[in-house]
Amino acid sequence: GEDVEQSLFLSVREGDSSVINCTYTDSSSTYLYWYKQEPGAGLQLLTYIFSNMDMKQDQRLTVLLNKKDKHLSLRIADTQTGDSAIYFCAEDSGYSTLTFGKGTMLLVSP
Amino acid sequence: DSGVTQTPKHLITATGQRVTLRCSPRSGDLSVYWYQQSLDQGLQFLIQYYNGEERAKGNILERFSAQQFPDLHSELNLSSLELGDSALYFCASHAGAGANVLTFGAGSRLTVL
Repeated sequence: GEDVEQSLFLSVREGDSSVINCTYTDSSSTYLYWYKQEPGAGLQLLTYIFSNMDMKQDQRLTVLLNKKDKHLSLRIADTQTGDSAIYFCAEDSGYSTLTFGKGTMLLVSP
Repeated sequence: DSGVTQTPKHLITATGQRVTLRCSPRSGDLSVYWYQQSLDQGLQFLIQYYNGEERAKGNILERFSAQQFPDLHSELNLSSLELGDSALYFCASHAGAGANVLTFGAGSRLTVL
């Protein structure tokens, strides 16, 4: 079956880099995704990576994909207090839908 | 504003009751997805519709049902409610082609007392 796992909590100081890790199980996933959820809001797509890529960079965000180990990471450079949120990793589930991890709560302190 | 509209935002009801949650997808999107978010289970996929037809079914209970109407809005019906049904229910939409980039609504928070 499909299962996406993430660590539950990460705390960093403002200005530091944050790295959120994720492991997935479905090697046939075409795309892998990172979503962000702020308090009281729905999920917002941050970025996604095609499965034949190793890395994708988008401004302060860097996604690394290790397909052999089924490991995905999201690095946020120069983390700001406004980055405090829950970050979800997700994979394609083969039904044109997504399977999400349980989310990593990122807390950025001044 | 994501373009996906969900109503109501909050709903409080009693066990045994029935509620209907409504979703209007982003303009032009043909697919609608329903997800349930709870603290213990995380985000669970319930059901997907594409242009009025059921496309995929996930962990949806038999007490729950959904449909997508000709104008593409969708409704999720929850009946014989139990305390454990208290959760955030999200609707998401997708154009139906390319990467599964889902656009989520703000959710409907259901509290069952």
